[in-house]
Amino acid sequence: ETGVTQTPRHLVMGMTNKKSLKCEQHLGHNAMYWYKQSAKKPLELMFVYNFKEQTENNSVPSRFSPECPNSSHLFLHLHTLQPEDSALYLCASSRTSGRTDTQYFGPGTRLTVL
Amino acid sequence: DQQVKQNSPSLSVQEGRISILNCDYTNSMFDYFLWYKKYPAEGPTFLISISSIKDKNEDGRFTVFLNKSAKHLSLHIVPSQPGDSAVYFCAASATSGTYKYIFGTGTRLKVLA
Repeated sequence: ETGVTQTPRHLVMGMTNKKSLKCEQHLGHNAMYWYKQSAKKPLELMFVYNFKEQTENNSVPSRFSPECPNSSHLFLHLHTLQPEDSALYLCASSRTSGRTDTQYFGPGTRLTVL
Repeated sequence: DQQVKQNSPSLSVQEGRISILNCDYTNSMFDYFLWYKKYPAEGPTFLISISSIKDKNEDGRFTVFLNKSAKHLSLHIVPSQPGDSAVYFCAASATSGTYKYIFGTGTRLKVLA
């Protein structure tokens, strides 16, 4: 595997379910990101991790809980989501969280909350 | 309130001609700008960037122009190829704060063979 991978690619869940999204990067990067893209809206940064430490939480509701056990893996734990949380969730990584370090994106997980 | 705007949701261009994608921003603190390209079922991929100390940056067929006074940037693709058909996002970041990227909503480019 190369680049940034995300699993699952598609997920349908009920509002009472608990699920997790997984991201893995094979680029030797130290920063990882979660973005959300809702229909007709721009990509919106959710969380930033730099060297496993969370450095940005963009006012994300607590029903989204990120976890970064090491620089290569990033999880997004989902609990009691709402239908408006249905969106494409994209993971990205970069060498560091500096803004001139190119962010490499995974293919995303398409989430549908029923 | 969107700080980065791509007012054209779609654009069609004949193969071989120039494609011009536009982006406007409102925050005068933005000083670093990027363009990403996205194919269906794939994540966005970085295309080209420009710092506010420049007004033009070129990489092969792709050129980004920055007009700071108008708070406007554009991406020129010359010549356009069918493989350029994708959604193009512009993004901006500021020196202050968290350096996060603020994205536009994207423009879908279709290059007709």
